Amino acid sequence: AQSVTQPDIHITVSEGASLELRCNYSYGATPYLFWYVQSPGQGLQLLLKYFSGDTLVQGIKGLEAEFKRSQSSFNLRKPSVHWSDAAEYFCAVGGGSQGNLIFGKGTKLSVKP
Amino acid sequence: EPEVTQTPSHQVTQMGQEVILRCVPISNHLYFYWYRQILGQKVEFLVSFYNNEISEKSEIFDDQFSVERPDGSNFTLKIRSTKLEDSAMYFCASRRGGFNTGELFFGEGSRLTVL
Repeated sequence: AQSVTQPDIHITVSEGASLELRCNYSYGATPYLFWYVQSPGQGLQLLLKYFSGDTLVQGIKGLEAEFKRSQSSFNLRKPSVHWSDAAEYFCAVGGGSQGNLIFGKGTKLSVKP
Repeated sequence: EPEVTQTPSHQVTQMGQEVILRCVPISNHLYFYWYRQILGQKVEFLVSFYNNEISEKSEIFDDQFSVERPDGSNFTLKIRSTKLEDSAMYFCASRRGGFNTGELFFGEGSRLTVL
């Protein structure tokens, strides 16, 4: 069965520090992978996606993610975190003609000064 | 920038009442979705809708749920007889084309509280 695991429920990093949010997936075929962000009271905003090709994907807000098939992972990274990055981050896997997404439980990011 | 809009932003209802959540997808989009997020849990797929019919639904989407596109702009989710466990944030989403042709755009959500 398809599933997404985000092992970290809550992460706190200092402003300016690097960030890595973990995501592992289980999917029978080549997955389509996504990272979304949700700020309080807001909808889900797409940060980046992987369909095929280069396994290092660049997204908005200086974010990147690397698809590692051998590890079934799609971790999100940012070299230097800003206070405005504080939000909840969701990893998702999708496939099939209807484009349904399966989400992880999310990782809440807090940024301390 | 075009966006998906949802109303109401928050609805409180009594158990057993019917609720309709409304969504206006982006105008040239063809694929529509409902997801829900119970507080503290992950976002879960409910249903997808294309060409005026349900194309896929999850096991959550049982007979108490229905979707409709009553006109050219609205996409509604109806919960016929709400239960306490229906309390959640409900997200509408739309996509312009087939799965790998573009982004899935989400609305800001409708929070449903069932008392």
